Amino acid sequence: QKEVEQNSGPLSVPEGAIASLNCTYSDRGSQSFFWYRQYSGKSPELIMSIYSNGDKEDGRFTAQLNKASQYVSLLIRDSQPSDSATYLCAVIMDSSYKLIFGSGTRLLVRP
Amino acid sequence: EPEVTQTPSHQVTQMGQEVILRCVPISNHLYFYWYRQILGQKVEFLVSFYNNEISEKSEIFDDQFSVERPDGSNFTLKIRSTKLEDSAMYFCASREPGRGSNEQFFGPGTRLTVL
Repeated sequence: QKEVEQNSGPLSVPEGAIASLNCTYSDRGSQSFFWYRQYSGKSPELIMSIYSNGDKEDGRFTAQLNKASQYVSLLIRDSQPSDSATYLCAVIMDSSYKLIFGSGTRLLVRP
Repeated sequence: EPEVTQTPSHQVTQMGQEVILRCVPISNHLYFYWYRQILGQKVEFLVSFYNNEISEKSEIFDDQFSVERPDGSNFTLKIRSTKLEDSAMYFCASREPGRGSNEQFFGPGTRLTVL
């Protein structure tokens, strides 16, 4: 069974802090990894993609990938109350390119 | 910035009725997907579509479901005889051609309520 696991949270951080969100995946051959943000009642919004081991930075967001540990994470620096949302980890595990989603981690940023 | 659009935003139907959910993918994208999310649950893959045919479908996508690209812009999901358990948010997504990008962009979704 191909799975993506995330802690459901909520993860509560004060405004201005770093939020760290984690995800593990079951298929060692997976090649493409994504973080989506989903506000309540809305659709997933792509915020980061990462394909190779290491870090990838985009503004306040850094995605980290460790394929040996089958682990991908998202760091959000200088967290803002508007970052409060559910963060979905999604992985492409085969040539179909379908996304396998985790259940999401709810992030709360306290003013 | 180009975006995926979906209509209607909310559809209420009676059990056993047919519904058609519509999507307009991003214009230069060639790969299209439907996902659904039951309230409080994970986003689940339903079907992928490329070159006017289904590439892959999940176990959820049974004979009651069908997809179509009736013209150069629309991509539709039809549920022939809706069940209570079909109540969910349905998201359309699209991906551009080429091996360089696997990113999928989602539409705003259609909330389907089956009574």
